[in-house]
Amino acid sequence: GAGVSQSPSNKVTEKGKDVELRCDPISGHTALYWYRQSLGQGLEFLIYFQGNSAPDKSGLPSDRFSAERTGGSVSTLTIQRTQQEDSAVYLCASSLGAGLTGANVLTFGAGSRLTVL
Amino acid sequence: RKEVEQDPGPFNVPEGATVAFNCTYSNSASQSFFWYRQDCRKEPKLLMSVYSSGNEDGRFTAQLNRASQYISLLIRDSKLSDSATYLCVVNPRYNFNKFYFGSGTKLNVKP
Repeated sequence: GAGVSQSPSNKVTEKGKDVELRCDPISGHTALYWYRQSLGQGLEFLIYFQGNSAPDKSGLPSDRFSAERTGGSVSTLTIQRTQQEDSAVYLCASSLGAGLTGANVLTFGAGSRLTVL
Repeated sequence: RKEVEQDPGPFNVPEGATVAFNCTYSNSASQSFFWYRQDCRKEPKLLMSVYSSGNEDGRFTAQLNRASQYISLLIRDSKLSDSATYLCVVNPRYNFNKFYFGSGTKLNVKP
């Protein structure tokens, strides 16, 4: 697609429920990132996918968080047993591919705003 | 110590003013540098990459000082529409996966 597409744009859920957030990166972009931004805070790295390589999960805050990327394109971030502190904007970004000169510019989606009641 | 540090501001300037932000980074092996702009409740958007020789895009000038490990952004003739948070981003040579984001500098341009 023309840009990074994320859904849903807004999600309100009850504490303890599971949520799934979806990211569709720019066509041809091999690198995909998930970040989290709490209100008034900076970006917090969560996870990174590059092609068929094992993902870098070093930023996932707990084992309630997981992500997958099927077919090297669409990615889903799953949060199990949501807690109020999970409330944030979840941003997905993609790039042509890390390590390529001039190719490591991130383009962000509009984000998924998660509110846990 | 944080990888990337920025003055959070806010910088409150009148229209037409020139304003400059600095951003320091801790790892001398950093390779690529960027300034992103983030409007309230919006996603970050690339403003400009920062090249070793410095680069200019209209009213915006970015500079890199490797010796002192900082990058700067200069905005001339500020417009109301420049009001936003400006994020400094650093990408290290040793790990192309990683992008280290500063917490942002808030700019308010007043009429």
